[in-house]
Formats: sequence, structure tokens, C-alpha cells
Amino acid sequence: QLVLTQSPSASASLGASVKLTCTLSSGHITYAIAWHQQHPGKGPRYLMRVNSDGSHSKGDGIPDRFSGSRSGAERYLSISSLQSEDEAEYYCQTWGTGIHVVFGGGTKLTVL
Amino acid sequence: QVQLVESGGGVVQPGRSLRLSCAASGFAFSSFALHWVRQAPGKGLEWVAVMYYDGSDKYYADSVKGRFTISRDNYKNTLYLQLNSLRGEDTAVYYCARASVGAPIDNWGQGTLVTVSS
Repeated sequence: QLVLTQSPSASASLGASVKLTCTLSSGHITYAIAWHQQHPGKGPRYLMRVNSDGSHSKGDGIPDRFSGSRSGAERYLSISSLQSEDEAEYYCQTWGTGIHVVFGGGTKLTVL
Repeated sequence: QVQLVESGGGVVQPGRSLRLSCAASGFAFSSFALHWVRQAPGKGLEWVAVMYYDGSDKYYADSVKGRFTISRDNYKNTLYLQLNSLRGEDTAVYYCARASVGAPIDNWGQGTLVTVSS
């Protein structure tokens, strides 16, 4: 069974950088994932896709401060020059034939 | 630009039914898979159902299989979700979302709240 694991919370200071992690379950480490951002009371927003080779492609209007990468079963979302509006919940998501859509549990990012 | 606008949510008693709609614009509706995703209060995102392109293929999460039905009207550019035999645990904001072939969800609606309560 494909499972995406995220830490429940993360924090970093204003202007600093942070790297959020999404871990693919054993047997599924070649899957691509996507990152979505959700502010309280709002619908999610697609940020980017991170492929199994570590390349990423961002959605329209996503700032250069956001980037993606990978290492083995881990897929990362890096945010540099943190701003107050980056405080949000971040979800990873994967997809495929038979599994359709799977979400991670989400990481709540606090900007200190 | 791409827009997905959900409607039809509300308060409903356990065991009753509700139909949600998602009006789409700004893209070739029939060329995309369309999903319903829900989020219970204070919880994470849960995939509910998907209908692919011409509507011939549809799939459901185990938690809603046999109770919910997804459909689409490619002439009206509208996606639907029929919710039957509703339970308290179906209380959530329901989002519609689109995805291309072999690609992740790349656009979301703003959601519609369904509250199941007596």
C-alpha cells in the first residue's frame, strides 16, 4: 500500500529557509509527487511537481523561493527567504493507475 | 483563467442525500480528469472520487463506495457528486479538482461545506 509520510509540524524564522519532507513508502520510491499549500479557511493551491529524478516543475505564479528536490524515497519542498504568508499547511500528493490520488498527512509550517 | 466553483453544500440529517456541483471554466473540460477531495474539520485532505475524461471510468474511496456517485456533464462543463446515506463522518469541506493525464492535481475549487447532523 502506497503511503506518504510527512512530519506534522515545522517552523523557521522570517527570512530563513526551510525544507519540508515527504517520504514514499517502500516499493514506491520511484513515484513523482506534488506539493500543495493550504492557508486556513482556503482551498489548497498547487505548488509544484517533483519527479523521481529530482527535477521539478512549478505551477503558474509560484515564486522562485519555492523549489523541489529528492533523495531516495524522500521528496522535498524547500522555501527560502521565508515570508509571513508562507505560514500554511503543506500537503504532498501522488497519483497513478489504480491508486488514483494519495495525500500525505500534511505539515503545518509556522514562520517565527 | 481556470476556475472551479463548487456549490450545493449545506446541513443535512444522517441518512439523507445531497448533490454537489462543480462548475468549471477556463479550460477544455472534457480533456481533464476531475476529482472530489474532502477535508473534515481540523483534518487533512482525503481523496473521494475521480471521473476520467469521457466519464466512462470512475473510481471511489472505500469510505464512500456504494453511497456516493460521481458524474459529469461535458456540455455544461459541470462535475457532480451525489451523496446518499450520509453519515456524521461525511461532514467535511468538499473540493473539486482537476488533473491531466499522468499528472497531479493542478487546480482546486474553493470548496463547499457539508454538515451531517440531526
